[in-house]
Amino acid sequence: RKEVEQDPGPFNVPEGATVAFNCTYSNSASQSFFWYRQDCRKEPKLLMSVYSSGNEDGRFTAQLNRASQYISLLIRDSKLSDSATYLCAVSGSQGNLIFGKGTKLSVKP
Amino acid sequence: SAVISQKPSRDICQRGTSLTIQCQVDSQVTMMFWYRQQPGQSLTLIATANQGSEATYESGFVIDKFPISRPNLTFSTLTVSNMSPEDSSIYLCSVEVEGQRAYEQYFGPGTRLTVT
Repeated sequence: RKEVEQDPGPFNVPEGATVAFNCTYSNSASQSFFWYRQDCRKEPKLLMSVYSSGNEDGRFTAQLNRASQYISLLIRDSKLSDSATYLCAVSGSQGNLIFGKGTKLSVKP
Repeated sequence: SAVISQKPSRDICQRGTSLTIQCQVDSQVTMMFWYRQQPGQSLTLIATANQGSEATYESGFVIDKFPISRPNLTFSTLTVSNMSPEDSSIYLCSVEVEGQRAYEQYFGPGTRLTVT
């Protein structure tokens, strides 16, 4: 089993749609969880940290399920500018991050 | 967050040569990391670079091939030695800073390396 797994997509959705991404991780000892956004030919940018209680930032909601070892990202009212690759990341033993391969989202007019 | 710069932003190099990539951050940070992202792939950690100690390398990466310096709390370099076309990739540094509830990592803009 890979350390961090994501559905690669692509997810093609119309503007205004709600879209959800899931990510599973294998190391039950992981303590920190994140969603990053990566635009084409750019570096990953931190979108949200994911907390046990779940957290929301505007149209974005992140949730953590430790028992099932997955994290999720929900995007409501999708905008064209949300088109990007979304990477989930899980903390490793050295303080580093272990990344999934990313889920590509394309929002169409 | 943190403001991170990398030099060069891109380079085309001949096989057998070496390239040193610089990473500069606008604040003092303890933890710095070097990642590689090959075309169409996710990020893979090369090594962790802490000031005052030897870098810690991940499986598959060795110091002779990827020597790292960390002379102070705002700067690090990664050298890609004796390059081959397989080293063509984007190399990214990241730093760990304290967020609201957890430590968070921020990335530099990356160095796009092509080896011919």
